[in-house]
Amino acid sequence: EAGVVQSPRYKIIEKKQPVAFWCNPISGHNTLYWYLQNLGQGPELLIRYENEEAVDDSQLPKDRFSAERLKGVDSTLKIQPAELGDSAVYLCASSQTSGGPHTGELFFGEGSRLTVL
Amino acid sequence: GENVEQHPSTLSVQEGDSAVIKCTYSDSASNYFPWYKQELGKRPQLIIDIRSNVGEKKDQRIAVTLNKTAKHFSLHITETQPEDSAVYFCAAHFGNEKLTFGTGTRLTIIP
Repeated sequence: EAGVVQSPRYKIIEKKQPVAFWCNPISGHNTLYWYLQNLGQGPELLIRYENEEAVDDSQLPKDRFSAERLKGVDSTLKIQPAELGDSAVYLCASSQTSGGPHTGELFFGEGSRLTVL
Repeated sequence: GENVEQHPSTLSVQEGDSAVIKCTYSDSASNYFPWYKQELGKRPQLIIDIRSNVGEKKDQRIAVTLNKTAKHFSLHITETQPEDSAVYFCAAHFGNEKLTFGTGTRLTIIP
C-alpha cells in the first residue's frame, strides 16, 4: 500500500514568488494535516482537515498561506507571496480517525523542502 | 497555550548503553503521548505511544513511561544500536484535538 505522497520534494524560489505543495494521503484516511518543520525543530501544525472541512487552521498565516482539500482526498498548500522566513520542510500527514478526539497514528509524507532566496 | 518541553536536545551514548529522553506537557487533560523517530532526510515515523490509562508500555528495546501527576513522560531505549541514531520527537494530544510536538532530541550512538 502506498504511503502519503508529497510533491515536489524540493523547491527553490525567489522571495515574493508563489509556490504550491501537493499531498495525497493514504487511501481511506479521512484526516489530513499540514505541518511546518523548521531545521532542528519539531513539526508545527498549520492546518488539519476532517474530510474536506478545515477543522483547525488557527496556526495558518492566512495573509499568505492557503490550503484546500476539495474532494476530501488530496490537498494543496499554497504560499503567495513567499518570504525568506518560509524556508522550511512542509510535511503532510494523514490518519484514520473514528470521529472522536484524535488519538491515532500519524503517517507522514517525505516532505517538501522549500528554499526561498 | 499547549506546550511540550523535551530534554535533552542532543544525546550521545555508547553502543549497548541505554538512552533516556524526557518530555513534560502543560495540559492535564492530555491523554495520548506518541514518540516519533526521524532519520536524517526521512519522514517521522511512530515508534511507540502510550495512553493516559497506563503508566508504562514496552516494545522490545523501547519503553515509554508516563507520570500523569507530574505531567511528564519518558522514552527509554536499551541496548542501543547504531541504527537508533536519529532525531526523536515526543508529542502530546491536547484537549482541543491538537497534537503538539516537542523540539526533538538528536541521539547519536557511538560505536
